[in-house]
Amino acid sequence: KAGVTQTPRYLIKTRGQQVTLSCSPISGHRSVSWYQQTPGQGLQFLFEYFSETQRNKGNFPGRFSGRQFSNSRSEMNVSTLELGDSALYLCASSLAQDRNEQFFGPGTRLTVL
Amino acid sequence: AQSVTQLGSHVSVSEGALVLLRCNYSSSVPPYLFWYVQYPNQGLQLLLKYTTGATLVKGINGFEAEFKKSETSFHLTKPSAHMSDAAEYFCAVSPYNFNKFYFGSGTKLNVKP
Repeated sequence: KAGVTQTPRYLIKTRGQQVTLSCSPISGHRSVSWYQQTPGQGLQFLFEYFSETQRNKGNFPGRFSGRQFSNSRSEMNVSTLELGDSALYLCASSLAQDRNEQFFGPGTRLTVL
Repeated sequence: AQSVTQLGSHVSVSEGALVLLRCNYSSSVPPYLFWYVQYPNQGLQLLLKYTTGATLVKGINGFEAEFKKSETSFHLTKPSAHMSDAAEYFCAVSPYNFNKFYFGSGTKLNVKP
């Protein structure tokens, strides 16, 4: 069974631009969560989607948004990029029945110049 | 509120020596506890988890952890370190009904030959 895939793996943007990251969960997994990882703040929860609905949300500004499609694939969007948005963005998926075991993708490394 | 504290951002051991990575948590509800490992340029991989039942949990690659409620700790151990264990380790807590994961700041394990 294929693991969680994230595209692109690396991305360079400039301040003010917007970016969309994609995550394909493991087949059969319906929950997708997003995390931001930075050296200074560590791993921080962004949001979780289940059945196309945002179920939980972390403490991030409204510039960070996401969505989930009917096939459970998820996208995350960041608008008006700031230098501080440079980070590794990790996606994790889990089964509906066992939401507490999350499987992580390799991440998307976003650099904002 | 939930939080996780990992003592020691860097731990160095010799190959064959005991590995001990410390994790303390605070949680307002019975928590689920996890240890994840991250290798360079990769996502997080689950090592082990505690949900209910036996407080000594065995995971992959010879790691184990013990949940001590009275000490609010969930330390990770391995009797004999291997060079391949060099990585960053994250402790995480999730409320039992799962809303989101709270990660510790991580501990980088260095294994000396």
